[in-house]
Amino acid sequence: DAGVTQSPTHLIKTRGQQVTLRCSPKSGHDTVSWYQQALGQGPQFIFQYYEEEERQRGNFPDRFSGHQFPNYSSELNVNALLLGDSALYLCASSFGADNYGYTFGSGTRLTVV
Amino acid sequence: GESVGLHLPTLSVQEGDNSIINCAYSNSASDYFIWYKQESGKGPQFIIDIRSNMDKRQGQRVTVLLNKTVKHLSLQIAATQPGDSAVYFCAENGDYNFNKFYFGSGTKLNVKP
Repeated sequence: DAGVTQSPTHLIKTRGQQVTLRCSPKSGHDTVSWYQQALGQGPQFIFQYYEEEERQRGNFPDRFSGHQFPNYSSELNVNALLLGDSALYLCASSFGADNYGYTFGSGTRLTVV
Repeated sequence: GESVGLHLPTLSVQEGDNSIINCAYSNSASDYFIWYKQESGKGPQFIIDIRSNMDKRQGQRVTVLLNKTVKHLSLQIAATQPGDSAVYFCAENGDYNFNKFYFGSGTKLNVKP
């Protein structure tokens, strides 16, 4: 039973570019949450998708957007990349309104140069 | 936003000793807490959780204690092993739901053989 899978594992982008990160939830999970983890810090909540809609959002600018597909997989898009967007981007999947089984993937390491 | 902080950024213990990792949280509305372990290059791994109607919960070699009066959370690891070396985060839900979690900055646990 595969857990949460994220792709790519590493990515280097230039300032001003756009990036798309992908997440496949754990089997049986229907909810996907995205977090940003700067080096040496704890993860910070970006947003959560459930039933293909953004259910909740953290304190991130509109440059950060997402999407959830009918198969529950999700994408995180970041436009107009800044150097400060360099971080580990984590996806967590869960099930239902109470987010049972909150499980993280290994993340995508994004470096903006 | 919510503030979840840890008293010690780094903790070094001898193999076989017990470890105690502490966490302070600021939002008295938080009613669900999770401890995560994060190894280098991996996403956070669930260790144990506790709801606010409890003050203690035990797992395999781990115990979480919750003191709502002083808004303090601790993780006790019995007979610490080299494989326990990692960064440990506490997380709180903060707003009466389970859609997002607020993480502290983490404590690095070093286990000396």
